[in-house]
Amino acid sequence: NAGVTQTPKFRVLKTGQSMTLLCAQDMNHEYMYWYRQDPGMGLRLIHYSVGEGTTAKGEVPDGYNVSRLKKQNFLLGLESAAPSQTSVYFCASSYREPGLGLVNEQFFGPGTRLTVL
Amino acid sequence: GQNIDQPTEMTATEGAIVQINCTYQTSGFNGLFWYQQHAGEAPTFLSYNVLDGLEEKGRFSSFLSRSKGYSYLLLKELQMKDSASYLCAVSNTNAGKSTFGDGTTLTVKP
Repeated sequence: NAGVTQTPKFRVLKTGQSMTLLCAQDMNHEYMYWYRQDPGMGLRLIHYSVGEGTTAKGEVPDGYNVSRLKKQNFLLGLESAAPSQTSVYFCASSYREPGLGLVNEQFFGPGTRLTVL
Repeated sequence: GQNIDQPTEMTATEGAIVQINCTYQTSGFNGLFWYQQHAGEAPTFLSYNVLDGLEEKGRFSSFLSRSKGYSYLLLKELQMKDSASYLCAVSNTNAGKSTFGDGTTLTVKP
């Protein structure tokens, strides 16, 4: 099992450029999340998905879009990158305990370090 | 909304015990998680509390009081490799979303 993988690992963009970050998980998890982490800070939720074909906004969604066309993949898009989007981006996945209604711990990918000049 | 507070930094000595506190205010509660994050790496799961009380896992224990909105992570027999950031995260009842604190950077000194 590869767990959660992210591509690319590093990227440098110029202001106004666009890009897509790919997250893939092989654990058959229903829930997937995109976070950003800035220096000295915790993780802030950008968007999340509770299943294939569904997405929802987190606490900092502006400037980002997402898609979950397949259960195992969750894509994060930046349509017009800005320097304020320089950050480390983490994808995570999780699952609900059958019959208990509780969502378990999140499994994180290794992160994508994005710099916008 | 949710608000989570934890100390920014802590220092402890190898072999000692350290307690990292976390207080939270939340509109819904579905459990509290602790994650460890080494510099430059992804967070990894340490513990989960949904009921009041202490959960023990080897050298690590976590405590929860829902009525007080309070949790702590206890690390015993500290090792140099325990130097990391420790993130407290509260899950609300909606889709397992977690709100993360800013993390506590623990430095273990010889």
